[in-house]
Amino acid sequence: GENVEQHPSTLSVQEGDSAVIKCTYSDSASNYFPWYKQELGKGPQLIIDIRSNVGEKKDQRIAVTLNKTAKHFSLHITETQPEDSAVYFCAVIGSNFGNEKLTFGTGTRLTIIP
Amino acid sequence: DGGITQSPKYLFRKEGQNVTLSCEQNLNHDAMYWYRQDPGQGLRLIYYSQIVNDFQKGDIAEGYSVSREKKESFPLTVTSAQKNPTAFYLCASTVFSGNTIYFGEGSWLTVV
Repeated sequence: GENVEQHPSTLSVQEGDSAVIKCTYSDSASNYFPWYKQELGKGPQLIIDIRSNVGEKKDQRIAVTLNKTAKHFSLHITETQPEDSAVYFCAVIGSNFGNEKLTFGTGTRLTIIP
Repeated sequence: DGGITQSPKYLFRKEGQNVTLSCEQNLNHDAMYWYRQDPGQGLRLIYYSQIVNDFQKGDIAEGYSVSREKKESFPLTVTSAQKNPTAFYLCASTVFSGNTIYFGEGSWLTVV
């Protein structure tokens, strides 16, 4: 099955700096790559996603890049703010049509230092 | 409001008891999922259902059971066979498999 690795597991950055979280996956036919933000005691919220026919996608301070050849994708948060502190999960949907399911990375706890 | 509603938010189970977690969605989504999250850990898939009256086991289905009698409902039963049920349980849904998946707010289950 699909294997997703996420790094780093914890990340602390000064407010205003950028944060980058990276995920690698094993199934070269995977085609959908969402990122979720989870605050304590709440369900994950989708913040951005990318499909395999696109190399980069931006939404204000958040961007995701995808390198299909190397089988990795990254979340970039610029001009970080205290409210960005949370746990971030990457996920991958595999290629088994009709039987797709999300496989999640293990999460990155991001702390923004004021 | 449209969304995914999980209940109860907090549930305590005595050893040997079965408990059922409710998940209802009014988004007209086809597929629904149950995930388990242990403290400081990622999400692991328990069961998922792509259509009414059909569901498949995920990676950690042992000790759990589900039903999908209605499109909007996907309850999860944690049976006494689940030896370590204390965790945060998340329900999710999507329009069709492979599209954006949305999560409910979760249910905390604790064994006492």
